[in-house]
Amino acid sequence: QSVLTQPPSASGTPGQRVTISCSGSSSNIGSNTVTWYQQLPGTAPKLLIYNNNQRPSGVPDRFSGSKSGTSASLAIGGLQSEDEADYYCATWDDSLNGPHYVFGTGTKVTVL
Amino acid sequence: QLQLQESGPGLVKPSETLSLTCTVSGGSISSSNYYWGWVRQPPGKGLEWIGTIFYSGSTFYNPSLKSRVTISVDTSKNQLSLKLSSVTAADTAVYYCARHTLQWLASIYFFDYWGLGTLVTVSS
Repeated sequence: QSVLTQPPSASGTPGQRVTISCSGSSSNIGSNTVTWYQQLPGTAPKLLIYNNNQRPSGVPDRFSGSKSGTSASLAIGGLQSEDEADYYCATWDDSLNGPHYVFGTGTKVTVL
Repeated sequence: QLQLQESGPGLVKPSETLSLTCTVSGGSISSSNYYWGWVRQPPGKGLEWIGTIFYSGSTFYNPSLKSRVTISVDTSKNQLSLKLSSVTAADTAVYYCARHTLQWLASIYFFDYWGLGTLVTVSS
């Protein structure tokens, strides 16, 4: 059971803006930066956003991230068909039962 | 270009130990700037972090798997390894190895290079 909660699904038509939320707690998102990964069907995850809002080289600027308190969001502006994928947030958790990395529950984005 | 490749048996019997190796090419596993980790994904389900190791041997494990997991590195072969003991059907998953950036002072943590993954099925 992940400690980072995401909506199971999100959808939009081409060109629309889609936002995915990631809810955590003070021991994870509240204390550390958030990373987002994109996983296309049948492939390994790909780094999409790190340090809350930084894009690695090659990631289109229609992807943007933000963080406030114990929650984070990923926005996809100008949705394209190739954006249909699963998206995961992740961060470090400074839990008392041992520091560890955690992934969100994942959100499947569908382009209608 | 950094590349990672997982290898190991695709079928493991219940109660036995799952053993995988990840070979890193195009870069050194002994780099002081990076850690190396394992992530798994059961069929049709989400990602689960298994553990992360530094070339010196320092490790971090998922608390829910800690009692069964051992991750190690062989710097001479530029490889990292995963052992998961007492497996059950619930351990059936695609297992990925990946480079893990852990910038403690800035609280920045991410996996940036991933292997293709290898499916391990636990079944008799």
